[in-house]
Amino acid sequence: EDQVTQSPEALRLQEGESSSLNCSYTVSGLRGLFWYRQDPGKGPEFLFTLYSAGEEKEKERLKATLTKKESFLHITAPKPEDSATYLCAVQARTNAGKSTFGDGTTLTVKP
Amino acid sequence: DTEVTQTPKHLVMGMTNKKSLKCEQHMGHRAMYWYKQKAKKPPELMFVYSYEKLSINESVPSRFSPECPNSSLLNLHLHALQPEDSALYLCASSQVMVTGELFFGEGSRLTVL
Repeated sequence: EDQVTQSPEALRLQEGESSSLNCSYTVSGLRGLFWYRQDPGKGPEFLFTLYSAGEEKEKERLKATLTKKESFLHITAPKPEDSATYLCAVQARTNAGKSTFGDGTTLTVKP
Repeated sequence: DTEVTQTPKHLVMGMTNKKSLKCEQHMGHRAMYWYKQKAKKPPELMFVYSYEKLSINESVPSRFSPECPNSSLLNLHLHALQPEDSALYLCASSQVMVTGELFFGEGSRLTVL
């Protein structure tokens, strides 16, 4: 069974204080690992897809990396508008259409 | 702005009512999804349509009935719901079922009295 564990559950940062969110996964044949951002009461917003170990993707202050067992979402010099819940999900090659989500990390950035 | 549009944004219904949630996308995607999300929990897959055919039903109770009239539209018909069905219902689409990158709508907040 595919499993995704995200840590920490919650993270509070000062504006400008860089940090990382972790996503550990177990999947039988990874098709892709996905990061989403979700604001309260809204649907998740797609951020990145990573397909293989060693791959990196960047978007503004966010950088996602992938190893064979985990993914990190690095946040550089965060701003208050980066406050949200960040969800990680994996899809197995044998499970088209089914993404397994982690419980998310809720990030709060204080000005 | 999301390219997946869901209506209504909020819905309150009694346990004997019949209502529908609607979803529309104009990205040319051929896979569409219904997810249910409870507070502080991740989205939970309910149904997947691929090329307008139901491909995945995650053992959802029959009081939820999905419909895909065409490649752009997805409906979720609701009947005889229970208070525990109150949740945020999310529609999503992807290019095809195997791509995995989901584009979500803003959701329909359902309250069952």
